[in-house]
Amino acid sequence: DQQVKQNSPSLSVQEGRISILNCDYTNSMFDYFLWYKKYPAEGPTFLISISSIKDKNEDGRFTVFLNKSAKHLSLHIVPSQPGDSAVYFCAAMRGGSNYKLTFGKGTLLTVNP
Amino acid sequence: DTAVSQTPKYLVTQMGNDKSIKCEQNLGHDTMYWYKQDSKKFLKIMFSYNNKELIINETVPNRFSPKSPDKAHLNLHINSLELGDSAVYFCASSQAGGGYTFGSGTRLTVV
Repeated sequence: DQQVKQNSPSLSVQEGRISILNCDYTNSMFDYFLWYKKYPAEGPTFLISISSIKDKNEDGRFTVFLNKSAKHLSLHIVPSQPGDSAVYFCAAMRGGSNYKLTFGKGTLLTVNP
Repeated sequence: DTAVSQTPKYLVTQMGNDKSIKCEQNLGHDTMYWYKQDSKKFLKIMFSYNNKELIINETVPNRFSPKSPDKAHLNLHINSLELGDSAVYFCASSQAGGGYTFGSGTRLTVV
């Protein structure tokens, strides 16, 4: 039962262009969403998050958009840089769950110079 | 100074053996977790401890036993290892709803 889905296993973009990574969820009880970035042989590192009371959160080149009615969120990276090449995991949490995160399968982003 | 460190990084062992993975965090976080990333790349929670108390115990075989001697440590002991236990195991910590900090993972291979 995949409650968090990242339907694109991979994405390739040119340096300087926008990267858009998508995530869908099925559990309407989720109220906090996070994006993690993972390099090979390393643990995931926190990138950006958004609460369900917002529809947008921005941090430098990274912006996360949340569409609650569609149960969809996306991560925008502008401009994309080669160092952004990594696997990006979408994760969701619901209040009262003891901070349990439910992860998607990840999307491998490759930014070409 | 590594925030969440887990050892060993790689572990190759035979079926039927018992092994342990250790995890330590120096962030002062109250909550620690074990996640498993299987061959399909899903990261799934196994256990969570808050101040040495077990608060999350997902559907995990009882061959897996977490131990938290203090809030800075959460070790994972696995008895009678099976081929299907091969995966990457990640330790993580967090503080009251904040984002997790993950360790770099332990790749377990059971042969």
